[in-house]
Amino acid sequence: EVQLVESGGGVVRPGGSLRLSCAASGFTFDDYGMSWVRQAPGKGLEWVSGINWNGGSTGYADSVKGRFTISRDNAKNSLYLQMNSLRAEDTALYHCARVIGPYSSGHWFDPWGQGTLVTVSS
Amino acid sequence: DIQMTQSPSSLSASVGDRVTITCRASQSISSYLNWYQQKPGKAPKLLIYAASSLQSGVPSRFSGSGSGTDFTLTISSLQPEDFATYYCQQSYSTLGITFGPGTKVDIK
Repeated sequence: EVQLVESGGGVVRPGGSLRLSCAASGFTFDDYGMSWVRQAPGKGLEWVSGINWNGGSTGYADSVKGRFTISRDNAKNSLYLQMNSLRAEDTALYHCARVIGPYSSGHWFDPWGQGTLVTVSS
Repeated sequence: DIQMTQSPSSLSASVGDRVTITCRASQSISSYLNWYQQKPGKAPKLLIYAASSLQSGVPSRFSGSGSGTDFTLTISSLQPEDFATYYCQQSYSTLGITFGPGTKVDIK
């Protein structure tokens, strides 16, 4: 069974840092790109960042560019999101998702993990 | 970035109704449009990819159509388990993947 399990969320003060992890199982991890998508409480879905199969290509939403860094360790079947200079508006449930289809364009997300909650508050 | 809109933002329907949700892109995205279903407290689930391809395991009452800027998700006969929020998502450009704001389908 394909499974994605996120961890690393918590409560952090504005300006602080947090590192999220996503453990993948049930598929050949380095065959796929991966992404992070977040959902603020009671709000819709927002794509945060994506990475191709070998980490050679990454992308970020304008709202996090320069503050967040996506990476992966294919030997550990793991995806990461380093979040720095956190703001109140970064408060959300962060999901990791497997990218299906060409990473350049025309891809979709399946499956999604259940998410890890990040709360930025003083 | 490409902006996505959905209409309606919410709708009330009865079991057995035919339901149509529309998604519009601010520029042409070819057929790079996907649909997801999300139930409260759950992760989103892929329903339709590439505008009209049904994801494996998804009931055939779900269908998608459209290309360019205008797309439609149709549920041919609404079932109790279909009450949820539905999101469209474009992947025309990896530099700016965007989702629609969602359409909540609830019980009339």
